[in-house]
Amino acid sequence: NAGVTQTPKFQVLKTGQSMTLQCAQDMNHNSMYWYRQDPGMGLRLIYYSASEGTTDKGEVPNGYNVSRLNKREFSLRLESAAPSQTSVYFCASSERKNYGYTFGSGTRLTVV
Amino acid sequence: GQQVMQIPQYQHVQEGEDFTTYCNSSTTLSNIQWYKQRPGGHPVFLIQLVKSGEVKKQKRLTFQFGEAKKNSSLHITATQTTDVGTYFCAATDGQNFVFGPGTRLSVLP
Repeated sequence: NAGVTQTPKFQVLKTGQSMTLQCAQDMNHNSMYWYRQDPGMGLRLIYYSASEGTTDKGEVPNGYNVSRLNKREFSLRLESAAPSQTSVYFCASSERKNYGYTFGSGTRLTVV
Repeated sequence: GQQVMQIPQYQHVQEGEDFTTYCNSSTTLSNIQWYKQRPGGHPVFLIQLVKSGEVKKQKRLTFQFGEAKKNSSLHITATQTTDVGTYFCAATDGQNFVFGPGTRLSVLP
C-alpha cells in the first residue's frame, strides 16, 4: 500500500548512544517532515525538507540531524541520545509544503 | 512564535450526542488543517480550510474557519464509538504548520 514507512517501530537506547530513524514514502511527495509527540504537547516539528536537496530546522531541532537522501527518503539521526528525547517520532510527507500530511506509523523511542 | 490552542482538552460524550472542539491562534492564519489520531495510531489528515468563513462537511463532521482566520471548529453530529480519538488542528501563518495540543474524545456506548 502507498504511504509512509518508518523503521524501527520501537527502540530502547542508553544515554549517549546514537541511532538513525528511517523514513521512506512512495507517493512522489516533495516535502517531508519529522515530528515528535509527547503527552499533552501535540506534535512538534523537529526538521523538515521542503524539497529534495533542502533541509531546515523546525521548532525543536537541538540534538537531532537529518538527511534527505533522495526524494523518497528522509532520515533522522540522534548523535548522543538523552532521556529528554524519549518520545514517539513521526515522519510525514506532503505533495508540497503546507498541503495535507500523510504520517507514518511512528517510532516509539525510550532513552534510559 | 505562533501558538495554537485547543479546547476542550478532554471531552466525554454519550454515543449519539454532539461534540465540538475549538482551535484558536494568536495570529492570523493562512490555512488550517484537522487531523484525527486513534489511540495508539498516527495522525490522519481530515481536511484543510483556506478561505475566511469557509464551512466544509464530511458526513457527520462539519469544519469551519473563522471570519477573521484566527479560529476554527470541528463539530461531530451524533457521535459514534468509531469517533473515539484525539482531534488536532494544525495552523500555519504561511510558514510551517503548528499543531495544537489536541482534544481527546471518548464516546460511551
